[in-house]
Amino acid sequence: SQELEQSPQSLIVQEGKNLTINCTSSKTLYGLYWYKQKYGEGLIFLMMLQKGGEEKSHEKITAKLDEKKQQSSLHITASQPSHAGIYLCGADIGGGSQGNLIFGKGTKLSVKP
Amino acid sequence: DGGITQSPKYLFRKEGQNVTLSCEQNLNHDAMYWYRQDPGQGLRLIYYSQIVNDFQKGDIAEGYSVSREKKESFPLTVTSAQKNPTAFYLCASSLRENEQFFGPGTRLTVL
Repeated sequence: SQELEQSPQSLIVQEGKNLTINCTSSKTLYGLYWYKQKYGEGLIFLMMLQKGGEEKSHEKITAKLDEKKQQSSLHITASQPSHAGIYLCGADIGGGSQGNLIFGKGTKLSVKP
Repeated sequence: DGGITQSPKYLFRKEGQNVTLSCEQNLNHDAMYWYRQDPGQGLRLIYYSQIVNDFQKGDIAEGYSVSREKKESFPLTVTSAQKNPTAFYLCASSLRENEQFFGPGTRLTVL
């Protein structure tokens, strides 16, 4: 089974609406990274979370890592067309991973004007 | 400007041919990574290197080879042994266990 599950797989929202994307791990997260990808392009780093309960914000995007450190959520407030893309979470699940990350399959976000 | 570059952006290959994808970074990062991305899939790790002249296999290394002769460069060769090479290939670099920065990717198509 997938070690890192993202939900939903895809999301269509009306411009101005809020939305949340979840990333759930079957193992303890030692570091959780959120990236955004436009189709056919590289990944753009958004945020990194390491401590349980940690919350970070950048412009209208907020990410949290839950206390038990096995789930993270990405929340977008007042979505805009520029937020459209694929959001991927990457996780350091420790155990000598040497900085290697495992990735979820991504959440495709579409924002309707 | 500091960054990570990949070339070419699109690559076509005939079956049975080896092909090399370029990845260069001027961020002075120690670690470099190669991932493969297939439609609807997350990224899967092919090879990684934590230091010059050393590299390790990732989850799907079969049919691929790499070298790390310089800190800035981490080329990936897709050999004819790779059964299904058509995919989007992403290179990344990082300062050891920090966030990874990604290149723009190379889309490889086998004809």
